Formats: sequence, structure tokens, C-alpha cells
Amino acid sequence: GDSVTQMEGPVTLSEEAFLTINCTYTATGYPSLFWYVQYPGEGLQLLLKATKADDKGSNKGFEATYRKETTSFHLEKGSVQVSDSAVYFCALRRGGADGLTFGKGTHLIIQP
Amino acid sequence: DVKVTQSSRYLVKRTGEKVFLECVQDMDHENMFWYRQDPGLGLRLIYFSYDVKMKEKGDIPEGYSVSREKKERFSLILESASTNQTSMYLCASKGSASNQPQHFGDGTRLSIL
Repeated sequence: GDSVTQMEGPVTLSEEAFLTINCTYTATGYPSLFWYVQYPGEGLQLLLKATKADDKGSNKGFEATYRKETTSFHLEKGSVQVSDSAVYFCALRRGGADGLTFGKGTHLIIQP
Repeated sequence: DVKVTQSSRYLVKRTGEKVFLECVQDMDHENMFWYRQDPGLGLRLIYFSYDVKMKEKGDIPEGYSVSREKKERFSLILESASTNQTSMYLCASKGSASNQPQHFGDGTRLSIL
């Protein structure tokens, strides 16, 4: 079946550091890929998405590129802020109406 | 903005009780979903619905059922609650276009004593 693997953390960085959170997937066909973010006490918010190979999703300084050859969708940000502290989930969806398959989440802590 | 509202943020119930978790969306979305979120396991899909009165099993449907009598409302039912159903439950909705994302509610933290 489908699966998503991501580093679980916690990942602790200093403010203004470069961020990479790795995500790889296993799926049949050509899934859509997503990054969601969950701030403390809140539900999940869509951060960015990519629907086909070589697409780059971007939002709020975060970027991720859909790499079919390596089945990866790594999340990057050039300079993190304390307000980026949250749990980040990588997810895939095979069909338009299908549910999402999530990774286990990566807890990111940014220290001032 | 899409609004997905879950009726309770926190809920405490007893083993064996029948429990209803309610979710309402205001964007006329066809698709609605229920997930549970557990530490170290991420989110797992319980059930989803792509239309009124339609339902599909997700990855972990055992011990749960759902009801979709109206388009805007999707209910998750624990027929006889057990302690292993203590979890955070998240509802989501999505429009019919394939490239649309899912929008999530704030979650219901359910404790079964």
C-alpha cells in the first residue's frame, strides 16, 4: 500500500538557520503531494502542494519539489523563524476523492 | 476561507458508551473525511464520504461508523467506546476538483475512561 516516510525529530534549529525536512513516498501511479503544518492546539493547515513531477510548491518561504525519480518531496526554508515552530506532515493522495496518507510528522523547534 | 467546525474541542466519555463526533463544513464540499491522530503514528484515515449517504472505509474503520445525511455534516460514531479509541480526531473536507486540498477542523481530543 501507499506510505510516506519522514524524519520524526524533534528537529531543533537556531533562528535564521537553513531547514530541510526529508520526505519520501511509496505509491502506485502519480500521487499528489502535500505538506501540512500543525501549530500547537490547532488543526492542520495546508502549507504547499505539488500535483505532478517537477512541480515546485511554495508558500511563506517554504519550498518543496516533486521528484519522481527519487520519490521525494523534501521541505526547505532558507531562514527559519521562531514562529515556524510546529509539527510538519508530509502526505500523498492518489485520487481526487481519496483520503490522504500521512507521514508520522516532524516536530520542529526553533530557538531564538 | 473554508470553515470546518468540529462540535467539541475536548470530550470525556466512559467505556461502552455510544459517542458521536460532529463535523460541519460551510463550503458545499462533496468530500469529507475523518482521521485520528496519535503520537508516533501520524494521522490515519478512518472513513470518508464523497456524497450524501455515501461512505467508504479508510485504513482503520474497525470500531467506528459514520453518517452523512446532509452534505455539510459528517458524523463519526463510536458504537461502544473503548480505551484504545482515546485519541485526537480530525475532520476534513474537500471540493470535487482533483487539485483541491483538504481543509481541516481544529480537532476533538477524546478521552475514554
